[in-house]
Amino acid sequence: DIQMTQSPPSLSASLGDKVTITCQATQNIHNYIAWYQQKPGKSPRLLIRYTSTLESGTPSRFSGSGSGRDYSFSISNVESEDIATYYCQQYVSLWTFGGGTKLELK
Amino acid sequence: EVQLVESGGGLVQPGRSLKLSCTASGFTFSDYYMAWVRQAPKKGLEWVATIITSGSRTYYPDSVKGRFTISRDDARNSLYLQINSLESEDTATYYCARHSTIAAISPFAYWGHGTLVTVSS
Repeated sequence: DIQMTQSPPSLSASLGDKVTITCQATQNIHNYIAWYQQKPGKSPRLLIRYTSTLESGTPSRFSGSGSGRDYSFSISNVESEDIATYYCQQYVSLWTFGGGTKLELK
Repeated sequence: EVQLVESGGGLVQPGRSLKLSCTASGFTFSDYYMAWVRQAPKKGLEWVATIITSGSRTYYPDSVKGRFTISRDDARNSLYLQINSLESEDTATYYCARHSTIAAISPFAYWGHGTLVTVSS
């Protein structure tokens, strides 16, 4: 089974900062990675699929990149509404989530 | 508008069984793979089951294989999750999710609000 190691577990940022989250898979996942946002008490929301394809409604300040085993997710110009927990997910072989990254305001 | 509404959660004793339901609307249910994802209190997301269109094939992680059974009734636009031999570690919010495309290799684009299962004596 493919495991996803996501880091950091938590992140503190100021409004307007750029933040980056990384995920490493235990094997090549061929760009089949998605990123989700979950706000407290809410269901997850799909933001990005296939490494860098933004879902409809995802603001352009969100972006994704990577290849092989290593991927990253960034938010440029962090806004207050971005405070949430973010998860990566591989979907090339079954479906596995990373451990999550909690983004907080500094 | 895609809607997924889960039901069937509650307080259940260890060792008992429970069947969760999810009613879908706003899309052609029979066209999509469907999944269940759970989240233990203050923990991360864990995929626990997927069923393909027609229901002829199901997938589970090793952590729940043998105790969880996913099924679907396309005539009722409904998805189910049977959980047997419940353990305290099964305490979680269980989300129903729809895969994003008709293709097999796809993430989860739509989620219900979840139903809470608490396993305790």
